[in-house]
Amino acid sequence: QVQLVESGGGVVQPGRSLRLSCAASGFTFSSYGMHWVRQAPGKGLEWVAVISYDGSNKYYADSVKGRFTISRDNSKNTLYLQMNSLRAEDTAVYYCAKVSVATITSYAFDIWGQGTMVTVSS
Amino acid sequence: AIQLTQSPSSLSASVGDRVTITCRASQGISSALAWYQQKPGKAPKLLIYDASSLESGVPSRFSGSGSGTDFTLTISSLQPEDFATYYCQQFNSYPLGTFGPGTKVDIK
Repeated sequence: QVQLVESGGGVVQPGRSLRLSCAASGFTFSSYGMHWVRQAPGKGLEWVAVISYDGSNKYYADSVKGRFTISRDNSKNTLYLQMNSLRAEDTAVYYCAKVSVATITSYAFDIWGQGTMVTVSS
Repeated sequence: AIQLTQSPSSLSASVGDRVTITCRASQGISSALAWYQQKPGKAPKLLIYDASSLESGVPSRFSGSGSGTDFTLTISSLQPEDFATYYCQQFNSYPLGTFGPGTKVDIK
């Protein structure tokens, strides 16, 4: 079935780096824009970044611009989020999400992963 | 940057009640709006896209309306499984996936 599975979360010290992965299955990964969304403990949803289906376009929230990099490997059906210079305020559950319409970069998200927790703490 | 507000931030309702949640955009976004339901510890679930289109498999008691800056999500007859937090999201312009702050629906 259509599925997204995140991995790579954990506890990291402020200023350090972490890379999240999102493995996709059950659909033609290379045809869909993909997003990262995060949710701090007890808080609402915050959009983080998007990458177009072919990787040619990337956009970021102001809160992570210059620190986070979104990428994808269509040969491996995998989405990534490289997070550098991590801060305490980056502590959150990170979800990857699939755009519901092929080749469109931003649209409603019809499939979400289960989330991976990132804790930034000394 | 586009900002979304939701009202109310929380509400208490009974099974069978009609519930309406409002989402307002800081500038016009045409019909580029989605609604999600999230239960504790779970990922969000898409309910409505394009402001008023029901996602496949979502019960027909959920409906959406609006365009431009004002949108509503209506649950015609609240069921026990509908107690959750609801978020609107715009995908019209940057930031490309802005969410509203959420509306928590709990049991009266």
